[in-house]
Amino acid sequence: GAGVSQSPSNKVTEKGKDVELRCDPISGHTALYWYRQRLGQGLEFLIYFQGNSAPDKSGLPSDRFSAERTGESVSTLTIQRTQQEDSAVYLCASDGIAGVTDTQYFGPGTRLTVL
Amino acid sequence: RKEVEQDPGPFNVPEGATVAFNCTYSNSASQSFFWYRQDCRKEPKLLMSVYSSGNEDGRFTAQLNRASQYISLLIRDSKLSDSATYLCVVGSSYKLIFGSGTRLLVRP
Repeated sequence: GAGVSQSPSNKVTEKGKDVELRCDPISGHTALYWYRQRLGQGLEFLIYFQGNSAPDKSGLPSDRFSAERTGESVSTLTIQRTQQEDSAVYLCASDGIAGVTDTQYFGPGTRLTVL
Repeated sequence: RKEVEQDPGPFNVPEGATVAFNCTYSNSASQSFFWYRQDCRKEPKLLMSVYSSGNEDGRFTAQLNRASQYISLLIRDSKLSDSATYLCVVGSSYKLIFGSGTRLLVRP
């Protein structure tokens, strides 16, 4: 069965450009999460979707970061005017049980490099 | 203070050794507990859930002490393939909080 997929797998961009990262969760999973992982560090929570609403955006580091989700499907994380400190792996995860912490299944991540 | 704290290691052990990792968490209202494994340049994958009664999965044993807000993972008979970073994860409501991980290196 298909797991969580993310695209692109790698993205190199110049400082100041906008980037869009895509996540396709496991079919039927209602909850979707975005995390950021800098080199050698732990996972930082960015945003949580339940369906297409985002009850918790508390981890978004600045107003340059935004995310949306279409129904209980694809999500897009957008970073505007990228900065070098945005360089990291962006991981998406989904789980199937609304409102209850359960196993999260991760995608392979998008490795973003801002030059 | 971090919500989930782990010794970053690395723990460098020979094959066949027993190794234990510990983790503490700060939110006493936490409801769910996990160990995830992350290989280099890969995504985290669930290793096992952790229950108050303790649980075992083959060579892996996890323990939870709610009173002390402490979680442990014991790996017996270490294999080369166990080399990875082990993430302690604590959940409350919808949210999982990840520790920064403990790195394990198993040498031949």
